[in-house]
Amino acid sequence: DVKVTQSSRYLVKRTGEKVFLECVQDMDHENMFWYRQDPGLGLRLIYFSYDVKMKEKGDIPEGYSVSREKKERFSLILESASTNQTSMYLCASTPQGFPDTQYFGPGTRLTVL
Amino acid sequence: SQKIEQNSEALNIQEGKTATLTCNYTNYSPAYLQWYRQDPGRGPVFLLLIRENEKEKRKERLKVTFDTTLKQSLFHITASQPADSATYLCALVGNSNYQLIWGAGTKLIIKP
Repeated sequence: DVKVTQSSRYLVKRTGEKVFLECVQDMDHENMFWYRQDPGLGLRLIYFSYDVKMKEKGDIPEGYSVSREKKERFSLILESASTNQTSMYLCASTPQGFPDTQYFGPGTRLTVL
Repeated sequence: SQKIEQNSEALNIQEGKTATLTCNYTNYSPAYLQWYRQDPGRGPVFLLLIRENEKEKRKERLKVTFDTTLKQSLFHITASQPADSATYLCALVGNSNYQLIWGAGTKLIIKP
């Protein structure tokens, strides 16, 4: 089975802190995604990557950056956390040959105080 | 702009009955549509994919229909069980092949 893991299930940070969210997949998938999920809203794409060191902005990239140095790992960085970045963050991966299904990690619930 | 709508109100169904969830979309013609299940505090899990040339897809107690004229997909769970209680999300491919457009999901509650 495909496994996508995220570094933390719950995280509490203070405004202005730099925050790293890590995602690792074990199935050699080319594509990886970072979403945020807020009540009443669909999943919103922050960034995605279709290859190592490649990244593309999604719908809401402002305030975020990403890093993909290795195929299995995709990191989301909040350069200076703000309270409006309090959310559930979900990482997903897919093999090449979209529209294969997206495999999600368990999510990180981030609270910024 | 592309838009997906799912019923935001929770759907309460008696155990054993068929649950039907709706996904409506506007302003584009997706080649396929996916349905996912999400339990509280967890990531979504893929259930079914249906392509635009398929009217219906089945998997065990699940059935999905895709009406490109009505711009609507229906998701059915027959012989529903309390364990089916979850939020169900639909997703369609956007303008980029890498990007899915997601509905906000419908919460399904199956009462014993």
